[in-house]
Amino acid sequence: QLQLQESGPGLVKPSETLSLTCSVSGVSITSVSHYWGWIRQPPGKGLEWIGSIFYYGDTSYNPSLQSRVTISVDTAKNQFSLKVRSVVAADTAVYYCARHVWSGTYIYYSDHWGQGSQVTVSS
Amino acid sequence: DFVMTQSPDSLAVSLGERVTINCKSSQTVLYSSNNKNYLAWYQQKPGQPPKLLLYWASTRESGVPDRFSGSGSGTDFTLTISSLQAEDVAVYYCQQYYATPQTFGQGTKLEIK
Repeated sequence: QLQLQESGPGLVKPSETLSLTCSVSGVSITSVSHYWGWIRQPPGKGLEWIGSIFYYGDTSYNPSLQSRVTISVDTAKNQFSLKVRSVVAADTAVYYCARHVWSGTYIYYSDHWGQGSQVTVSS
Repeated sequence: DFVMTQSPDSLAVSLGERVTINCKSSQTVLYSSNNKNYLAWYQQKPGQPPKLLLYWASTRESGVPDRFSGSGSGTDFTLTISSLQAEDVAVYYCQQYYATPQTFGQGTKLEIK
């Protein structure tokens, strides 16, 4: 069955770049019915959508983070990745990767999630 | 951005009792061309990722018990648990996917009384 697994450093220094990868198993990331995205949750707080990508590279980002975020895809490895530049303490969060249902026009809800990766920004 | 406001922030209910959680959107999430509400509900248990419960405001995801139901349209929505079970202790989130960026409510924490 479908599984998503986040990986990457758990500690990042302020002003540096946060990098995470989501490995997808059980289905091909080249599905024409799905986008693949990142959502984060600061400690004790709610959920924030970061952005999403289609298998051929089309992206959609949250405007609040767009200037610092890049999401990319590697279809050969069945993975997609997140980079957040110039991180600050407020970027400390659990980062989830997820699969979004896609209509062909709209990105819909997230029907599968990874277990999450804790990232702390601290010197 | 669409602001999603849930009420209450937390509640404690006895086992077997009915639970109602509300979600209000700052703008309509009803798409007139297909008459669908672009709203989902998620359940998050401690230490776990969110789990999709309902989409299109009232369609249950596969495997979700039928004690979970959703209602509402436009800007006002409700998640109902008909008879609370111990395993339903969690934080519940609503989410709109009508507009980018997708946005979530602040969450409602459900506990057993």
